[in-house]
Amino acid sequence: GAVVSQHPSRVICKSGTSVKIECRSLDFQATTMFWYRQFPKQSLMLMATSNEGSKATYEQGVEKDKFLINHASLTLSTLTVTSAHPEDSSFYICSARREGRGTEAFFGQGTRLTVV
Amino acid sequence: AQSVSQHNHHVILSEAASLELGCNYSYGGTVNLFWYVQYPGQHLQLLLKYFSGDPLVKGIKGFEAEFIKSKFSFNLRKPSVQWSDTAEYFCAVYVGGTYKYIFGTGTRLKVLA
Repeated sequence: GAVVSQHPSRVICKSGTSVKIECRSLDFQATTMFWYRQFPKQSLMLMATSNEGSKATYEQGVEKDKFLINHASLTLSTLTVTSAHPEDSSFYICSARREGRGTEAFFGQGTRLTVV
Repeated sequence: AQSVSQHNHHVILSEAASLELGCNYSYGGTVNLFWYVQYPGQHLQLLLKYFSGDPLVKGIKGFEAEFIKSKFSFNLRKPSVQWSDTAEYFCAVYVGGTYKYIFGTGTRLKVLA
């Protein structure tokens, strides 16, 4: 149990368009989901914490209007990169906490976004 | 601010060699500590975790880690690595009360057959 699925795994989009990435907890309810961004040879940087039914909490320096996060249900959170630019190209990973499993986080497989 | 540092960015070992990957964190309060592994093309997976109790933690696939509070360290070890251990390893800290996980930069391990 505790599977987190992220879709799509890879996406290429044109500069100026928007891209939506989905993160689903398949076999548990996730009241809290996290979105990370990973640059090559760097750590996973937390972008925002998403709580079901409320606004996401963004980390300092992350543009909330550019990276729209919606956590509409206990099993789904989405990240929309709006008006994407080449510098937004990166690897985006979501994770979810499962109630009753302490602080262990479960990760999606990540999404490689390339903006051309 | 809290941070996690992993000292080795790339490690190359021959099979059967011993492994130790360093991890240090900066936070004076209660932390939960994790090592995650990412095999090529796969999810991040939990190797082991420390919440409290015995500071020597055993995980899957023969890995273990030792929490040394005085050194703010949580180093990962394996006595004899295998080719299949080739992966990227991340140390992470969960900071109590913030719901945040802070990751190190990762260590790429390559094991030569």
